[in-house]
Amino acid sequence: GAGVSQSPSNKVTEKGKDVELRCDPISGHTALYWYRQSLGQGLEFLIYFQGNSAPDKSGLPSDRFSAERTGGSVSTLTIQRTQQEDSAVYLCASSAGSGAYNEQFFGPGTRLTVL
Amino acid sequence: QQPVQSPQAVILREGEDAVINCSSSKALYSVHWYRQKHGEAPVFLMILLKGGEQKGHEKISASFNEKKQQSSLYLTASQLSYSGTYFCGTEKGGSQGNLIFGKGTKLSVKP
Repeated sequence: GAGVSQSPSNKVTEKGKDVELRCDPISGHTALYWYRQSLGQGLEFLIYFQGNSAPDKSGLPSDRFSAERTGGSVSTLTIQRTQQEDSAVYLCASSAGSGAYNEQFFGPGTRLTVL
Repeated sequence: QQPVQSPQAVILREGEDAVINCSSSKALYSVHWYRQKHGEAPVFLMILLKGGEQKGHEKISASFNEKKQQSSLYLTASQLSYSGTYFCGTEKGGSQGNLIFGKGTKLSVKP
């Protein structure tokens, strides 16, 4: 079946511009996660959704970052006034539930480059 | 609260064994293991839960010591396909699935 998809796969933007990153989770998955991975680094948790609500948004680096999820499906991560340090691969994952017993399925990521 | 992984990197010859460790400073409900190949998304390997329940690939072996707040991933008779970066993840709070991942262990298997 279809996996997690993300778009765009690559995004190059200029410093100060806003960007939107999209994630389409696996159909029926209620939990959705956003992570950031800088070059050669680990996975940095950003935010997670259970349905349309975000019980934990503690990983968002600043108020320039926001995310929403609509219809219990698609999620959008928005970065306003992008900075060079925002350059990274942004990964989305979904799971059948938010309990710890559920494995996460990752999308291919969006590589963001801020010039 | 980020789990600590060791070693940071390991190089093996095909057929050799390796152990990757993950330790936490707080009590754990679960430990998750993922592998990421270069340029690809992380892929699920295993979940170990408090109480001994496990979920994952048959060919992967792992342990979870609740008292020591540690988990180990055992890679035996390594194959070239085992190469990649291995991440362990622990839950941020309670038994929810939002994870904090360690910095990763880079495994290189040579012919």
